[in-house]
Amino acid sequence: KAGVTQTPRYLIKTRGQQVTLSCSPISGHRSVSWYQQTPGQGLQFLFEYFSETQRNKGNFPGRFSGRQFSNSRSEMNVSTLELGDSALYLCASSPLTGPTSYNEQFFGPGTRLTVL
Amino acid sequence: AQSVAQPEDQVNVAEGNPLTVKCTYSVSGNPYLFWYVQYPNRGLQFLLKYITGDNLVKGSYGFEAEFNKSQTSFHLKKPSALVSDSALYFCAVRDGDNAGNMLTFGGGTRLMVKP
Repeated sequence: KAGVTQTPRYLIKTRGQQVTLSCSPISGHRSVSWYQQTPGQGLQFLFEYFSETQRNKGNFPGRFSGRQFSNSRSEMNVSTLELGDSALYLCASSPLTGPTSYNEQFFGPGTRLTVL
Repeated sequence: AQSVAQPEDQVNVAEGNPLTVKCTYSVSGNPYLFWYVQYPNRGLQFLLKYITGDNLVKGSYGFEAEFNKSQTSFHLKKPSALVSDSALYFCAVRDGDNAGNMLTFGGGTRLMVKP
Protein backbone atom coordinates (compact mmCIF):
# COMPACT_ATOMS: atom_id res chain seq x y z
CA LYS A 1 0.00 0.00 0.00
CA ALA A 2 1.12 3.51 -0.67
CA GLY A 3 1.84 5.58 2.41
CA VAL A 4 0.35 8.87 3.49
CA THR A 5 1.08 11.54 0.91
CA GLN A 6 1.15 15.27 1.49
CA THR A 7 1.29 18.07 -1.06
CA PRO A 8 3.05 20.31 -1.51
CA ARG A 9 6.22 19.28 0.32
CA TYR A 10 7.54 22.82 0.58
CA LEU A 11 5.75 26.14 0.54
CA ILE A 12 6.81 29.74 0.95
CA LYS A 13 4.21 32.40 1.70
CA THR A 14 4.17 35.95 3.00
CA ARG A 15 2.40 37.31 6.04
CA GLY A 16 -1.30 37.88 5.53
CA GLN A 17 -1.68 35.29 2.80
CA GLN A 18 -3.61 32.10 3.15
CA VAL A 19 -2.52 28.54 2.40
CA THR A 20 -4.11 25.14 1.79
CA LEU A 21 -2.29 21.89 2.47
CA SER A 22 -3.46 18.52 1.22
CA CYS A 23 -3.23 15.03 2.65
CA SER A 24 -4.12 11.68 1.10
CA PRO A 25 -4.38 8.93 3.70
CA ILE A 26 -3.48 5.30 3.26
CA SER A 27 -6.20 3.50 1.31
CA GLY A 28 -8.94 2.32 3.65
CA HIS A 29 -7.98 4.68 6.48
CA ARG A 30 -10.87 6.88 7.55
CA SER A 31 -9.27 8.91 10.33
CA VAL A 32 -6.98 11.79 9.40
CA SER A 33 -5.19 13.96 11.94
CA TRP A 34 -3.04 17.05 11.53
CA TYR A 35 -0.10 18.13 13.68
CA GLN A 36 2.16 21.17 13.71
CA GLN A 37 5.84 20.69 14.48
CA THR A 38 8.05 23.63 15.45
CA PRO A 39 11.41 23.77 17.24
CA GLY A 40 9.92 25.81 20.07
CA GLN A 41 6.56 24.15 20.66
CA GLY A 42 7.32 20.64 19.46
CA LEU A 43 4.54 18.49 18.04
CA GLN A 44 1.07 19.86 18.64
CA PHE A 45 -2.28 18.38 17.65
CA LEU A 46 -4.37 20.55 15.34
CA PHE A 47 -7.48 18.50 14.55
CA GLU A 48 -8.79 15.09 13.59
CA TYR A 49 -11.38 14.14 11.01
CA PHE A 50 -13.34 10.93 10.77
CA SER A 51 -16.02 10.30 8.17
CA GLU A 52 -15.95 13.94 7.07
CA THR A 53 -16.61 15.18 10.62
CA GLN A 54 -14.19 16.97 12.88
CA ARG A 55 -13.92 14.78 15.95
CA ASN A 56 -11.23 16.55 17.98
CA LYS A 57 -9.65 19.97 17.86
CA GLY A 58 -6.46 21.24 19.43
CA ASN A 59 -5.79 24.61 20.96
CA PHE A 60 -5.21 26.67 17.83
CA PRO A 61 -6.88 29.89 16.69
CA GLY A 62 -9.75 29.89 14.25
CA ARG A 63 -7.37 30.82 11.42
CA PHE A 64 -6.58 27.12 11.29
CA SER A 65 -9.32 25.03 9.72
CA GLY A 66 -9.69 21.77 7.92
CA ARG A 67 -12.04 19.45 6.16
CA GLN A 68 -12.29 15.90 4.97
CA PHE A 69 -13.81 14.65 1.76
CA SER A 70 -15.86 11.54 1.13
CA ASN A 71 -12.75 9.69 -0.12
CA SER A 72 -11.06 10.47 3.23
CA ARG A 73 -8.62 12.94 1.70
CA SER A 74 -8.16 15.97 3.90
CA GLU A 75 -7.13 19.58 3.55
CA MET A 76 -6.10 22.12 6.11
CA ASN A 77 -6.24 25.84 5.59
CA VAL A 78 -4.45 28.63 7.39
CA SER A 79 -5.71 32.13 6.77
CA THR A 80 -3.97 35.43 7.48
CA LEU A 81 -0.58 33.81 7.88
CA GLU A 82 1.74 34.95 10.65
CA LEU A 83 5.49 34.47 10.95
CA GLY A 84 4.88 32.03 13.80
CA ASP A 85 2.96 29.72 11.50
CA SER A 86 6.23 28.62 9.91
CA ALA A 87 6.41 24.93 10.72
CA LEU A 88 6.36 21.39 9.47
CA TYR A 89 2.73 20.31 9.13
CA LEU A 90 2.26 16.58 9.49
CA CYS A 91 -0.73 14.56 8.46
CA ALA A 92 -1.42 11.13 9.94
CA SER A 93 -3.98 8.49 9.05
CA SER A 94 -5.33 5.56 11.00
CA PRO A 95 -7.59 2.62 10.23
CA LEU A 96 -10.01 3.77 12.90
CA THR A 97 -13.09 1.65 12.73
CA GLY A 98 -15.12 2.95 15.64
CA PRO A 99 -15.24 5.38 18.55
CA THR A 100 -12.04 4.00 20.02
CA SER A 101 -9.20 2.23 18.38
CA TYR A 102 -6.00 0.47 19.29
CA ASN A 103 -4.44 1.43 15.99
CA GLU A 104 -1.37 3.58 15.65
CA GLN A 105 -1.24 6.53 13.30
CA PHE A 106 0.81 6.52 10.11
CA PHE A 107 2.46 9.82 9.30
CA GLY A 108 3.19 11.48 5.99
CA PRO A 109 6.47 13.27 5.20
CA GLY A 110 5.00 16.65 6.03
CA THR A 111 4.67 20.01 4.35
CA ARG A 112 7.27 22.56 5.36
CA LEU A 113 5.66 25.99 5.40
CA THR A 114 7.82 29.10 5.57
CA VAL A 115 6.14 32.44 6.19
CA LEU A 116 8.16 35.51 5.26
CA ALA B 1 -5.80 16.88 30.14
CA GLN B 2 -2.88 14.72 29.13
CA SER B 3 0.84 15.33 28.98
CA VAL B 4 4.12 13.58 28.21
CA ALA B 5 7.57 14.38 29.55
CA GLN B 6 10.84 13.30 28.01
CA PRO B 7 13.36 14.57 30.54
CA GLU B 8 16.44 14.24 28.34
CA ASP B 9 16.90 16.43 25.29
CA GLN B 10 19.75 14.21 24.15
CA VAL B 11 21.06 10.75 24.95
CA ASN B 12 24.56 9.71 23.93
CA VAL B 13 25.54 6.06 23.75
CA ALA B 14 28.35 4.06 22.19
CA GLU B 15 27.55 1.56 19.47
CA GLY B 16 26.90 -1.87 20.92
CA ASN B 17 25.90 -0.55 24.33
CA PRO B 18 22.33 -0.70 25.64
CA LEU B 19 20.22 2.44 25.35
CA THR B 20 17.29 3.86 27.27
CA VAL B 21 15.14 6.84 26.32
CA LYS B 22 12.89 7.95 29.15
CA CYS B 23 9.22 8.90 29.03
CA THR B 24 6.65 9.66 31.71
CA TYR B 25 3.03 10.49 31.06
CA SER B 26 -0.13 11.85 32.61
CA VAL B 27 -3.63 11.02 31.39
CA SER B 28 -6.99 10.95 33.11
CA GLY B 29 -8.27 7.85 31.37
CA ASN B 30 -6.78 4.63 30.12
CA PRO B 31 -3.27 5.26 28.71
CA TYR B 32 -2.47 4.19 25.19
CA LEU B 33 1.25 4.80 24.71
CA PHE B 34 3.34 5.05 21.56
CA TRP B 35 6.93 5.58 20.48
CA TYR B 36 7.79 7.18 17.16
CA VAL B 37 11.13 7.96 15.51
CA GLN B 38 11.89 10.83 13.15
CA TYR B 39 14.82 10.98 10.77
CA PRO B 40 15.93 14.31 9.22
CA ASN B 41 13.41 15.78 6.79
CA ARG B 42 11.08 12.87 7.30
CA GLY B 43 7.75 12.25 8.97
CA LEU B 44 7.33 10.11 12.05
CA GLN B 45 7.75 6.35 11.90
CA PHE B 46 5.90 4.12 14.34
CA LEU B 47 8.09 1.94 16.57
CA LEU B 48 5.80 0.32 19.12
CA LYS B 49 2.75 0.76 21.31
CA TYR B 50 1.26 -0.29 24.61
CA ILE B 51 -2.49 -0.70 24.76
CA THR B 52 -3.10 -3.50 27.23
CA GLY B 53 -1.60 -6.79 28.33
CA ASP B 54 2.06 -7.58 28.86
CA ASN B 55 3.96 -4.61 30.26
CA LEU B 56 6.97 -5.31 28.03
CA VAL B 57 6.22 -4.59 24.40
CA LYS B 58 8.50 -5.30 21.47
CA GLY B 59 8.60 -3.24 18.33
CA SER B 60 10.47 -2.52 15.15
CA TYR B 61 14.27 -2.56 14.72
CA GLY B 62 14.89 -4.40 18.00
CA PHE B 63 13.34 -1.72 20.22
CA GLU B 64 11.22 -2.54 23.23
CA ALA B 65 9.49 -0.53 25.94
CA GLU B 66 8.29 -1.25 29.43
CA PHE B 67 4.99 0.11 30.71
CA ASN B 68 5.04 0.90 34.43
CA LYS B 69 1.66 2.02 35.67
CA SER B 70 2.75 2.94 39.21
CA GLN B 71 5.54 5.17 37.92
CA THR B 72 3.50 6.32 34.90
CA SER B 73 6.49 5.59 32.70
CA PHE B 74 7.05 4.05 29.30
CA HIS B 75 10.80 3.97 28.69
CA LEU B 76 12.19 2.91 25.33
CA LYS B 77 15.06 0.43 25.35
CA LYS B 78 17.36 -1.46 23.03
CA PRO B 79 19.96 -4.03 24.14
CA SER B 80 22.61 -3.04 21.58
CA ALA B 81 22.61 0.36 19.87
CA LEU B 82 23.51 0.91 16.22
CA VAL B 83 24.86 4.08 14.64
CA SER B 84 21.83 4.00 12.37
CA ASP B 85 19.58 4.36 15.45
CA SER B 86 20.68 8.00 15.71
CA ALA B 87 17.51 10.03 15.29
CA LEU B 88 14.82 11.99 17.16
CA TYR B 89 12.51 9.90 19.31
CA PHE B 90 9.03 10.90 20.47
CA CYS B 91 6.83 9.37 23.12
CA ALA B 92 3.10 9.98 22.82
CA VAL B 93 -0.05 9.24 24.80
CA ARG B 94 -3.69 8.95 23.90
CA ASP B 95 -6.60 8.72 26.31
CA GLY B 96 -8.13 5.34 25.54
CA ASP B 97 -11.39 6.29 27.24
CA ASN B 98 -12.06 9.07 24.75
CA ALA B 99 -13.09 8.73 21.17
CA GLY B 100 -10.66 9.79 18.55
CA ASN B 101 -7.01 9.81 17.77
CA MET B 102 -5.62 12.86 19.52
CA LEU B 103 -2.00 12.17 20.42
CA THR B 104 -0.07 14.28 22.90
CA PHE B 105 3.66 14.14 22.28
CA GLY B 106 6.67 14.67 24.48
CA GLY B 107 9.29 17.19 23.45
CA GLY B 108 11.48 14.57 21.84
CA THR B 109 14.87 13.07 22.69
CA ARG B 110 17.74 13.13 20.27
CA LEU B 111 19.64 9.85 20.34
CA MET B 112 23.27 9.97 19.26
CA VAL B 113 25.02 6.64 18.80
CA LYS B 114 28.76 6.96 18.33
CA PRO B 115 30.91 4.32 16.64
